Amino acid sequence: DSGVTQTPKHLITATGQRVTLRCSPRSGDLSVYWYQQSLDQGLQFLIQYYNGEERAKGNILERFSAQQFPDLHSELNLSSLELGDSALYFCASSPRGGYSSYNSPLHFGNGTRLTVT
Amino acid sequence: GQNIDQPTEMTATEGAIVQINCTYQTSGFNGLFWYQQHAGEAPTFLSYNVLDGLEEKGRFSSFLSRSKGYSYLLLKELQMKDSASYLCAVMDSNYQLIWGAGTKLIIKP
Repeated sequence: DSGVTQTPKHLITATGQRVTLRCSPRSGDLSVYWYQQSLDQGLQFLIQYYNGEERAKGNILERFSAQQFPDLHSELNLSSLELGDSALYFCASSPRGGYSSYNSPLHFGNGTRLTVT
Repeated sequence: GQNIDQPTEMTATEGAIVQINCTYQTSGFNGLFWYQQHAGEAPTFLSYNVLDGLEEKGRFSSFLSRSKGYSYLLLKELQMKDSASYLCAVMDSNYQLIWGAGTKLIIKP
């Protein structure tokens, strides 16, 4: 168990809808990262938050947004969903804001599997 | 641009040794990570290299050559449970992780 909690585990919704994915980082970790992984594809970095502030942005669509709350949990909002948004969405956390190291690699949650029909 | 290359798929036999290569071209270098990911599951941390040389951890070892932009993950005494994807990730000068697409390792009895 990595200590990173993601809910829900599975989500099935229709095109055009909006969903919210939730992540609670490991106790003490200040950074949260969101990744998208389509079937048999690599990890695509979406966005990183550190202690409530956006730290880095990857290939995140304008239809997607995220935030990190004062209690450090994070939410990823996906709107106007398309079939191509079907994927595994992972959240990861680390103690520091700018980097990981041997002592603090990224720890991943079990992911939310989103299916858009 | 930044790029990490890994073979897409490899096949090996139970009990054997396999080497998974990773080459990278990134803006700066602050370390290289290897993760294991079973199908449909979360990636889990395997190893971290920041200096040249070999790091050994049980049946798994990871090697780094910064001058060549090259790393490999060596898996010994392969077990069926080692069937998974192996992800190489490099931390660039901005301390952001750049991920390879992963190598799917298939272990045959």
